[in-house]
Amino acid sequence: GAVVSQHPSRVICKSGTSVKIECRSLDFQATTMFWYRQFPKQSLMLMATSNEGSKATYEQGVEKDKFLINHASLTLSTLTVTSAHPEDSSFYICSAPGQVSGNTIYFGEGSWLTVV
Amino acid sequence: AQKITQTQPGMFVQEKEAVTLDCTYDTSDPSYGLFWYKQPSSGEMIFLIYQGSYDQQNATEGRYSLNFQKARKSANLVISASQLGDSAMYFCAMTLNTDKLIFGTGTRLQVFP
Repeated sequence: GAVVSQHPSRVICKSGTSVKIECRSLDFQATTMFWYRQFPKQSLMLMATSNEGSKATYEQGVEKDKFLINHASLTLSTLTVTSAHPEDSSFYICSAPGQVSGNTIYFGEGSWLTVV
Repeated sequence: AQKITQTQPGMFVQEKEAVTLDCTYDTSDPSYGLFWYKQPSSGEMIFLIYQGSYDQQNATEGRYSLNFQKARKSANLVISASQLGDSAMYFCAMTLNTDKLIFGTGTRLQVFP
């Protein structure tokens, strides 16, 4: 079964509104989680590193005020897309390293965001 | 800078045949990990296989094997006995012990009867 759960799997929102995506580790604690974005027919690009109890670390070119990341507990990270625009429509997916590091990186199921 | 290159945008293979998906990487760090993931149309990322830079032997996981040639900086994925369900996007990725993954551009594999 899934060890990282992501919700919602699909969401449609109106331009200008905000939408929150949750990434939850099941049965293990994740002090660090990662958020990726994937545009159609493209690869996954790391957006930010979510750190439990501290600020997220954003990759170059990612607007931190637009993509708010909160890692309030050891099992939950949230990504909020604020003031969404059609160009934010994408596939967002999170990952978390497992307890046996190095070769255990779990992904959530991903979230398809459509901004209309 | 670290980089993953997948030069095959698309590959075709007949059912039950073997196929090799190419991946080269670039890093000056001696410690790294290489992954292959399968992404079906649903979007989920399915872990296939992992190779550590210090691993002496090529990794194998069932029908998947990783042809690791360190001097050439290549980490090709070999799928034996292809099945129709293997049709998907395949991504090669690298991590430098930070758990952050750097992905290649992917290869779309299509298995035909």
